[in-house]
Amino acid sequence: QKEVEQNSGPLSVPEGAIASLNCTYSDRGSQSFFWYRQYSGKSPELIMSIYSNGDKEDGRFTAQLNKASQYVSLLIRDSQPSDSATYLCAVNHASGGSYIPTFGRGTSLIVHP
Amino acid sequence: DTEVTQTPKHLVMGMTNKKSLKCEQHMGHRAMYWYKQKAKKPPELMFVYSYEKLSINESVPSRFSPECPNSSLLNLHLHALQPEDSALYLCASSWTGGATNEKLFFGSGTQLSVL
Repeated sequence: QKEVEQNSGPLSVPEGAIASLNCTYSDRGSQSFFWYRQYSGKSPELIMSIYSNGDKEDGRFTAQLNKASQYVSLLIRDSQPSDSATYLCAVNHASGGSYIPTFGRGTSLIVHP
Repeated sequence: DTEVTQTPKHLVMGMTNKKSLKCEQHMGHRAMYWYKQKAKKPPELMFVYSYEKLSINESVPSRFSPECPNSSLLNLHLHALQPEDSALYLCASSWTGGATNEKLFFGSGTQLSVL
């Protein structure tokens, strides 16, 4: 059973703060990791992907990966109310000749003014 | 064109109705997916098509019938659904489905209500 664990939250941070979202996964052989953002009633939108240990930065977003600890995180700097959404961690695993993402339950982020 | 288009956006149907959900992409992707998502839950995989062939069926009840007429189109035929099937149905696509770094591009979803 491939598992991806996230704290469901909500995580509440003030505007301008750093929001830190965490995810752990069970399959040590996993190689590809993704963060999707989902606004209420909308579809998930890919915001970050990471494949190697270390940090990957894209604007206000930084993804961090530690394969030894089976841990991936997302940092959002200078958080804005528009960042309020559910953040889904996804980890690809092999299944039936395809690579399929297993999603975590998602962490609800609330950025308050 | 970087969009995955789903129609309809909303659908209300009775338990005896037959309806279809449609999904279209023109990004040249060869893998297409159907997901079901209940409120406050993660997306749950239903079906995967790779190169127009069904590659994964996650033990979905037969009242859901997928179809992939060509590499750009994906349908989900619905028949005799139950109220518990009410959910957001998401279509997604990716390049081939066979690479470890496959990224999913989601459509906007169909919000389905079964009465």
